[in-house]
Amino acid sequence: GQNIDQPTEMTATEGAIVQINCTYQTSGFNGLFWYQQHAGEAPTFLSYNVLDGLEEKGRFSSFLSRSKGYSYLLLKELQMKDSASYLCAVREGHYQLIWGAGTKLIIKP
Amino acid sequence: IAGITQAPTSQILAAGRRMTLRCTQDMRHNAMYWYRQDLGLGLRLIHYSNTAGTTGKGEVPDGYSVSRANTDDFPLTLASAVPSQTSVYFCASSDSGQGADTQYFGPGTRLTVL
Repeated sequence: GQNIDQPTEMTATEGAIVQINCTYQTSGFNGLFWYQQHAGEAPTFLSYNVLDGLEEKGRFSSFLSRSKGYSYLLLKELQMKDSASYLCAVREGHYQLIWGAGTKLIIKP
Repeated sequence: IAGITQAPTSQILAAGRRMTLRCTQDMRHNAMYWYRQDLGLGLRLIHYSNTAGTTGKGEVPDGYSVSRANTDDFPLTLASAVPSQTSVYFCASSDSGQGADTQYFGPGTRLTVL
């Protein structure tokens, strides 16, 4: 069956680094997405991985291992505005995404 | 450029009433989606449309219907609302077949069915 697992909640300190993990079991794989969602707002796109390896985009990086069904989102130099939920999603086929429940990240001063 | 707009922003609805949630995009994306988001659950796909004139069922389609008469609009209708349809509804669009085919989301509609 389809399953995407992420930790429910994480806490980190301002200025630090945090890694949010995502494991997936899907019938197909055609890319993995990370989205950020602030409370009461819409999800916004952060990153996309389709090949194994690390994709870096400023303070945010995303890693994918297709053989392990595993991805992580790495956030560096944490800022208070990074407090949000981070959603992992896998595209199985051509269009539709399967979504994890999201990880709520709490940043403390 | 507005991107994707949804209306209304929020709504309280009596059970049994009919309700249409509106979604319009100005990015000329061919694919559009309707999701619901409930606490503790991931986004769940209700219906989708790969191109104008075609629609498909997602993971949780029961009690909902959609139409796609043109590229820009993708309304979601609840024929007879029930309390379990209380949720936040997001519309999204993507330019399918182009690169990552990233989905872009509207601001959402918070619906309460009493």
